[in-house]
Amino acid sequence: DIVLTQSPGTLSLSPGDRATLSCRASQSVRSGYLAWYQHKVGQAPRLLMYDTSTRATGIPDRFSGSGSGTEFTLTISRLEPEDFAVYSCQQYGSSPFTFGGGTKVEIK
Amino acid sequence: QLQLQESGPGLVKPSETLSLTCTVSGASISGSGYYWDWIRQPPGKGLEWIGGIFYRGSTDYNPSLKSRVTISVDTARNQFSLRLTSVTATDTAVYYCARRNAWLAKYWFDPWGQGALVPVSS
Repeated sequence: DIVLTQSPGTLSLSPGDRATLSCRASQSVRSGYLAWYQHKVGQAPRLLMYDTSTRATGIPDRFSGSGSGTEFTLTISRLEPEDFAVYSCQQYGSSPFTFGGGTKVEIK
Repeated sequence: QLQLQESGPGLVKPSETLSLTCTVSGASISGSGYYWDWIRQPPGKGLEWIGGIFYRGSTDYNPSLKSRVTISVDTARNQFSLRLTSVTATDTAVYYCARRNAWLAKYWFDPWGQGALVPVSS
């Protein structure tokens, strides 16, 4: 199984700041088949990004994804109040599909 | 707008069977090109893919759970279900249902249900 390790575990930032979230894979993720999700308590997780860098429908362009191989990054260029949440990465390059442990972006 | 909603008992006893149903609204579960999946998140841990069922009825499961999991579909009710046998406290989790894209074998999950917390306790 591909193990995804996300860092940092918690990111304390202020609205307007830039957030950089890392997702590292234990082996290369085939074809960059990596997605990012946003979770908020009591809400359904939301797909943000797929194929490493393609934004899902309705996702604002302050969210961007990059990377390849074993190193992937989700960047939020300027944090809005609604962006404070937990973010998880998921690889679908090989089965079983696996998720990272999540990064919590909290208000500083 | 496609929506998914989990339902099931709020508590399961150790060694018993956990059963959950996901009701799909806003689209037919028989629509082509999608799997219908279950994913869980134990308290304080990351998400774990459990498995899914293709609209034509074939299934695929996480090998770590395969011996205890059955996913089925009821197209008449536009629902799909999860059965997890012989549960223990480690099966305590928030269980999510989600639609899995199958286009070009790119398996991301969208949308998701809100999740159902299922404690396993005597």
